[in-house]
Amino acid sequence: DGGITQSPKYLFRKEGQNVTLSCEQNLNHDAMYWYRQDPGQGLRLIYYSQIVNDFQKGDIAEGYSVSREKKESFPLTVTSAQKNPTAFYLCASSIDPELGEYGYTFGSGTRLTVV
Amino acid sequence: AQKITQTQPGMFVQEKEAVTLDCTYDTSDPSYGLFWYKQPSSGEMIFLIYQGSYDQQNATEGRYSLNFQKARKSANLVISASQLGDSAMYFCAMRERLTGGGNKLTFGTGTQLKVEL
Repeated sequence: DGGITQSPKYLFRKEGQNVTLSCEQNLNHDAMYWYRQDPGQGLRLIYYSQIVNDFQKGDIAEGYSVSREKKESFPLTVTSAQKNPTAFYLCASSIDPELGEYGYTFGSGTRLTVV
Repeated sequence: AQKITQTQPGMFVQEKEAVTLDCTYDTSDPSYGLFWYKQPSSGEMIFLIYQGSYDQQNATEGRYSLNFQKARKSANLVISASQLGDSAMYFCAMRERLTGGGNKLTFGTGTQLKVEL
């Protein structure tokens, strides 16, 4: 079955460490997105990529980095510059960057906790 | 300014009753789309229903319907015959133009629905 796989499901990070969250899709979707979810704040866009080897900053990109070397993969690195990284991270993809009536397909998320 | 507003942080409904979850939006783009997603406690986001700004009729998908009132800029989700499995967080989202081209979804803060026996 096609879908988006995020790993790991839970991740613990020490202060000052960089960590990378994995997002892989086998849907042949061109566009991929990373969102951060905090309680009471909904989902906020971190980075997005509409085509391989290209990505753009979203609304809250500071302290994060991404790469898009393959169509299937869009990993997110949470750097030590991100002051409050504890959150639930969701990866999404769309067959159409214009987002018609189908919107996004989401992964199951990674819960990151700073210890 | 908030583009998508969900004013109900939490709602309770009795099993088999209908419930309406509110969503208002703000945009100057004449062409837009509105989405509702369900997020169970496991965390995955499940697409429920879509309404385009030019659609003449309200969208329906099984027990879900979208009460679209364009002049009031509201897109409320109606769940009929609530089931225990409907207990989840519900998010309203709007399609917005990205400055570099393409679109993104902007989400509201969500409504936590609890279905009771």
